[in-house]
Amino acid sequence: DADVTQTPRNRITKTGKRIMLECSQTKGHDRMYWYRQDPGLGLRLIYYSFDVKDINKGEISDGYSVSRQAQAKFSLSLESAIPNQTALYFCATSDTGFVYGYTFGSGTRLTVV
Amino acid sequence: AQSVAQPEDQVNVAEGNPLTVKCTYSVSGNPYLFWYVQYPNRGLQFLLKYITGDNLVKGSYGFEAEFNKSQTSFHLKKPSALVSDSALYFCAVRGTGGFKTIFGAGTRLFVKA
Repeated sequence: DADVTQTPRNRITKTGKRIMLECSQTKGHDRMYWYRQDPGLGLRLIYYSFDVKDINKGEISDGYSVSRQAQAKFSLSLESAIPNQTALYFCATSDTGFVYGYTFGSGTRLTVV
Repeated sequence: AQSVAQPEDQVNVAEGNPLTVKCTYSVSGNPYLFWYVQYPNRGLQFLLKYITGDNLVKGSYGFEAEFNKSQTSFHLKKPSALVSDSALYFCAVRGTGGFKTIFGAGTRLFVKA
């Protein structure tokens, strides 16, 4: 099994619909992140969580919300999806401390029509 | 503010030739620098990092990177490219004492047989 699992892998949804992207990890890491990837823009941070009781906004949090249900689970919600939220979404985890890299999930490709 | 620049959208090399993927950065304090690779339909995979010490760091799959403080660069290199190295490469930076990792826009490497 993958260390970081994202579901679904692909989703097409309609404008205005609520959608949840889920992430679970077996790394035992406290820190979890949601990133969005757009061509030519790299990865941009949406939300991050350093432990179950800690949730923080990233650089592009408008239109998104998150829930950290447990150390291993971190969900991203789009309350009312819009077409410019069409992107590839990645969940990542890291160990505590600044010297560690990230472990990424395989991504969720979301299309809002 | 932290920033990362990958000046080339695409790098083309012939198999067996050396490759370089460029990265420059701007950060307060000493930088923590990372390279990740993304294969099609996959999440990003950690390749290598520079935290402190030797300016030449070695990573996975025969890749290495050279940290140059005066030029604020962290170029990714490999002595002999393989067709299987063809992928999207991301440089990332984190400032000392900070927790946000900033990613570059990515460079697509194409290795021709």
